[in-house]
Amino acid sequence: QVQLQESGPGLVKPSQTLSLTCTVSGGSINTGNYYWSWIRQSAGKGLEWIGRIFTNGNSDYNPSLKSRVTMSVDTSKNQFSLKLSSVSAADTAVYYCATDLGGSYRGWGQGTLLTVSS
Amino acid sequence: DIQMTQSPSSVSASVGDRVTITCRASQGISSWLAWYQQKPGKAPKLLIYGASSLQSGVPSRFSGSGSGTEFTLTISSLQPEDFATYYCQQANSFPYTFGQGTEVDIK
Repeated sequence: QVQLQESGPGLVKPSQTLSLTCTVSGGSINTGNYYWSWIRQSAGKGLEWIGRIFTNGNSDYNPSLKSRVTMSVDTSKNQFSLKLSSVSAADTAVYYCATDLGGSYRGWGQGTLLTVSS
Repeated sequence: DIQMTQSPSSVSASVGDRVTITCRASQGISSWLAWYQQKPGKAPKLLIYGASSLQSGVPSRFSGSGSGTEFTLTISSLQPEDFATYYCQQANSFPYTFGQGTEVDIK
């Protein structure tokens, strides 16, 4: 089973763009039928699905975030990424990357805490 | 969005107890339901997918049932390592949504 590891800045100022990367190890991001997904968890909103991307670039985003979200895949680096623009305090959360197979998440990264604060 | 409502929000139980958690969907989701276990500071762990299929490596004391709008997760004999928070999640339609969680703690 592949391993996932998120990386990101930890702290972002309001109105800036958040960038997170998930590095896949123990297998190729191109193999299997996984969608590569982002989920976040905050005390206020619980677990929230952000969206997912396939290696051909097809993606699905949560409508509540769609105007601010961009996901991408870099197969040469075995990585996929999340950009979230115009962040506010409401975006403070632990962000997880995960593998989506048939709509359930079999593999998860350890999570990275993102705090939005000036 | 499909709303997922879990009950109870918390349950106190003893080792060896049978514990049942219910998840209700605001509209029918067929069997597109998963259950996760989460311990403090850790990522969720998949227990059940497709409403009743046990994920590889998960002990057989965990079982799931239901279809449509009502689902249950049952732990047949609670073990010390099972004290955690449990979440349901629907994958019938976007956006995928999660329940608010059920905390299982020690009586």
